[in-house]
Amino acid sequence: GAVVSQHPSWVICKSGTSVKIECRSLDFQATTMFWYRQFPKQSLMLMATSNEGSKATYEQGVEKDKFLINHASLTLSTLTVTSAHPEDSSFYICSATSGLSSTDTQYFGPGTRLTVL
Amino acid sequence: SQKIEQNSEALNIQEGKTATLTCNYTNYSPAYLQWYRQDPGRGPVFLLLIRENEKEKRKERLKVTFDTTLKQSLFHITASQPADSATYLCALGSSNTGKLIFGQGTTLQVKP
Repeated sequence: GAVVSQHPSWVICKSGTSVKIECRSLDFQATTMFWYRQFPKQSLMLMATSNEGSKATYEQGVEKDKFLINHASLTLSTLTVTSAHPEDSSFYICSATSGLSSTDTQYFGPGTRLTVL
Repeated sequence: SQKIEQNSEALNIQEGKTATLTCNYTNYSPAYLQWYRQDPGRGPVFLLLIRENEKEKRKERLKVTFDTTLKQSLFHITASQPADSATYLCALGSSNTGKLIFGQGTTLQVKP
């Protein structure tokens, strides 16, 4: 149980285009989803917290107009990188929790490798 | 500001030995601490959670200690196997928000 999927697993795009990444909880309802970014040999950095049906809460320094997050259902959250540039190239990972307890385990997706040319 | 430090250098050990990984933190009082395993190009996989009022947690060959006075957690893998080779991340959690703050991870290499 507790499987989280991401799609696509990797994407290459041209500078200036927008890319959408999907995060799905396959066998549980995720009241909260988190989006992280990870650069090579670095830690996971939290970008935003997404609760179903409400606006995402972004971490300091993360541009909400550039990284659009939609959590339209209890099993799906999407991250859209708008007008992507080479510096946005990174490994994007989502996690999901059922949110029944504040110490609920976060179950992570397999990640999406974004390369912007 | 909050800071989490894990051994930045890779840890190389012989199969069968016990691996010990360290996680130190400053300027933070976490309600709980978690350890994850991450393989190259993959998302983290949850291993263990230990709460601030717990000293030690075990799961099969894994053992985690949590010393809130020293602000340190130790992660042990006993009878290590080559399949244990991966990067191990510690993460500190807040009871209010459920957010996790991750360390940069320590890469473990178990040689046969």
